[in-house]
Amino acid sequence: ILNVEQSPQSLHVQEGDSTNFTCSFPSSNFYALHWYRWETAKSPEALFVMTLNGDEKKKGRISATLNTKEGYSYLYIKGSQPEDSATYLCAAFRSETGGGADGLTFGKGTHLIIQP
Amino acid sequence: DTGVSQDPRHKITKRGQNVTFRCDPISEHNRLYWYRQTLGQGPEFLTYFQNEAQLEKSRLLSDRFSAERPKGSFSTLEIQRTEQGDSAMYLCASSATGDSPLHFGNGTRLTVT
Repeated sequence: ILNVEQSPQSLHVQEGDSTNFTCSFPSSNFYALHWYRWETAKSPEALFVMTLNGDEKKKGRISATLNTKEGYSYLYIKGSQPEDSATYLCAAFRSETGGGADGLTFGKGTHLIIQP
Repeated sequence: DTGVSQDPRHKITKRGQNVTFRCDPISEHNRLYWYRQTLGQGPEFLTYFQNEAQLEKSRLLSDRFSAERPKGSFSTLEIQRTEQGDSAMYLCASSATGDSPLHFGNGTRLTVT
């Protein structure tokens, strides 16, 4: 079973501050790393899909980096706003040729609360 | 693009009954995934299809769970002899390729009494 870990589990941030959190995953047979935002009462919404070591992606105030050799990804939020409050999920996809894919395996998420 | 739809939205059943859920993916997506989510946890992988082929099934999944995607379009997830531990949100998602993002449905919330 692919083990995807996210830290911290929850985070309280003041409005306007920047923040970041971590996703770690096994580096062997890596294929892709996904980030999703999941707001209460809605379905998860894709933020980024990254596949290459050193990838950096940006969407507005949110950006992500990927290190496939050491097995981690960071998600950064600059100038947090109340609407950024959500659970942020990462998910790793192992190579299908690696001998048994586990589908896209999610971490437990980082629950972010932005305090006005 | 009408998005991923799941039916029903909610299901309450008595322990021991069988239940079946349906997922209609985005029409041009050939990959379809089923996940289960319980409180405080991330989505737990159950199974996924590429077209009509079921490529992977979680080792955590008991024999009471079965999924089909007969024509490579919609999919059904059946749970036989439901148990209280099966109570969860069942999420379906689809994607175009292995490295494209997943599009999720709104889920089916199952309550087993």
